[in-house]
Amino acid sequence: DMKVTQMPRYLIKRMGENVLLECGQDMSHETMYWYRQDPGLGLQLIYISYDVDSNSEGDIPKGYRVSRKKREHFSLILDSAKTNQTSVYFCASSCGTGTSAETLYFGSGTRLTVL
Amino acid sequence: GQQVKQSSPSLTVQEGGILILNCDYENDMFDYFAWYKKYPDNSPTLLISVRSNVDKREDGRFTVFLNKSGKHFSLHITASQPEDTAVYLCAAGANQGGSAKLIFGEGTKLTVSS
Repeated sequence: DMKVTQMPRYLIKRMGENVLLECGQDMSHETMYWYRQDPGLGLQLIYISYDVDSNSEGDIPKGYRVSRKKREHFSLILDSAKTNQTSVYFCASSCGTGTSAETLYFGSGTRLTVL
Repeated sequence: GQQVKQSSPSLTVQEGGILILNCDYENDMFDYFAWYKKYPDNSPTLLISVRSNVDKREDGRFTVFLNKSGKHFSLHITASQPEDTAVYLCAAGANQGGSAKLIFGEGTKLTVSS
């Protein structure tokens, strides 16, 4: 059963706290992504990872960093969370090498609230 | 600016009707176009996609039309059903240039009333 799993589903943090969002996939996909979704803005790409320790900034990387130490896991880290980082975060993976647009498989999302 | 734009934030249609969702894009290099469907509190899933070597692709009740000269693509849904009620996200990307980046539109919330 092909799956992208995100933990946790819901998270409430205070401004200035560190946040760790985790994502796993069981499809051995090389390429993984972190997006955030805000009302009226659609999905915005934060980071792409092409494989272990091969990460690239997306369109809105500021305030975020990522870690990929195993192919099946991709983490999003917010060091010192800000209120404007309140959003729904989606992890995704794709089966190609990341050199062309293709089908994305999304997780169920993490709804992060920063107070 | 928004590279991929959906003109209608929301749309309502009667069950059984035909509906059209529209998407405009700016980048001439885009040659991959997709529509994703998202239910509340659920993940977006691919509905249908098309590459630029064709101007139409049909899959059951769903058809994508591509107008490259107009930088526009659309999703046509026939015989709409209540379970089509969802948010529809268009997306575009390039198959050249070495990037898998997909750019998404803002989404159109579709309601099919019975």
